[in-house]
Amino acid sequence: GNSVTQMEGPVTLSEEAFLTINCTYTATGYPSLFWYVQYPGEGLQLLLKATKADDKGSNKGFEATYRKETTSFHLEKGSVQVSDSAVYFCALEEQAGTALIFGKGTTLSVSS
Amino acid sequence: GAVVSQHPSRVICKSGTSVKIECRSLDFQATTMFWYRQFPKQSLMLMATSNEGSKATYEQGVEKDKFLINHASLTLSTLTVTSAHPEDSSFYICSATTGGTDTQYFGPGTRLTVL
Repeated sequence: GNSVTQMEGPVTLSEEAFLTINCTYTATGYPSLFWYVQYPGEGLQLLLKATKADDKGSNKGFEATYRKETTSFHLEKGSVQVSDSAVYFCALEEQAGTALIFGKGTTLSVSS
Repeated sequence: GAVVSQHPSRVICKSGTSVKIECRSLDFQATTMFWYRQFPKQSLMLMATSNEGSKATYEQGVEKDKFLINHASLTLSTLTVTSAHPEDSSFYICSATTGGTDTQYFGPGTRLTVL
């Protein structure tokens, strides 16, 4: 079946460091891919998405490129801030309007 | 952006009682709502898919008689945990979509603790 695998955390970085959180997926067909962020005590927020191969999603300095050949959707940010500390979830949607399949989440902690 | 609310945000109940959790789309009509469960330090697992006006579709292993889902209107879905037990303690999250789109909007979640 479809699945999402994320690198395990926690990831601990200093402010202004480069961030990469790996995500790979298994899916039949051509899913849409997402990154969601969950700040402490809050619900999930969509961070970025890509709906087809080679698309790049970006938001708030975060980027991820849909790589069909490597079935990956790695999240990157060039310079993290303390306010980026949160849990990040990679997810896929096999077809529009269907439930998302989530990875286990990666906790990011950024210190000043 | 679209807003989804959940009520209550936290609930503590005694074992054997029932608890109702509401999920509302505040500024859009949600033809489909999803209910997820999140265990500590784990991912979200889909429990059921709820379409307005029809019976919910439950995932394998989810007891439909224990987790009653009602989607009576385009803006409200409810999850009732019946005869709750301590193992039902978890974080329950709903999401809503207008259908035909790949954007889901998530509620803030409800923390259920069963004593």
